[in-house]
Amino acid sequence: GAGVSQSPSNKVTEKGKDVELRCDPISGHTALYWYRQSLGQGLEFLIYFQGNSAPDKSGLPSDRFSAERTGGSVSTLTIQRTQQEDSAVYLCASSFTGHTEAFFGQGTRLTVV
Amino acid sequence: GNSVTQMEGPVTLSEEAFLTINCTYTATGYPSLFWYVQYPGEGLQLLLKATKADDKGSNKGFEATYRKETTSFHLEKGSVQVSDSAVYFCALSDRTDSWGKLQFGAGTQVVVTP
Repeated sequence: GAGVSQSPSNKVTEKGKDVELRCDPISGHTALYWYRQSLGQGLEFLIYFQGNSAPDKSGLPSDRFSAERTGGSVSTLTIQRTQQEDSAVYLCASSFTGHTEAFFGQGTRLTVV
Repeated sequence: GNSVTQMEGPVTLSEEAFLTINCTYTATGYPSLFWYVQYPGEGLQLLLKATKADDKGSNKGFEATYRKETTSFHLEKGSVQVSDSAVYFCALSDRTDSWGKLQFGAGTQVVVTP
């Protein structure tokens, strides 16, 4: 597609379960970013990929959160043993290089019940 | 650390009114500054940017000037339309970071009534 695609668009999970969120960046974009948008915390940076490596993981809130990127394209954000405070919209963005505009996907709304 | 502060909303105004959303920042060095907009049901979109002091970003009738002396990047539009109803986010990127690694403000909801 032409834009950043995220799936699923909505996810409801039970507390304690693991979830995987997927991001398909714009073709050719080497940089990829994950953010979390929640009512209490606003928009928070989670992790940055350049190619398949993650030079900046400083925003991951705990070791329950991890992310990987394969083939310089698709990225997966995994949250293990989900907690209610993980409920948020998870946004993915990509850019052609480091100093070019970042384009955002529409996000995955995660609800932990 | 870096931070961005923007005025709280919601801001409600009538069509054709003048809009200002204040944004100030704290950063080491000279960051790049951005305004993003989130229309209802849509993803974040870059509205405009400025990468150095005194630069003016503009797009869709919106403008913002990078003021180093006041560490501000206020967003303005002279005559708003109903279609400008959205949430607006001010953001910065550290000079050494990529433009996608952003520190966002809390967002300001703007509601424009006919």
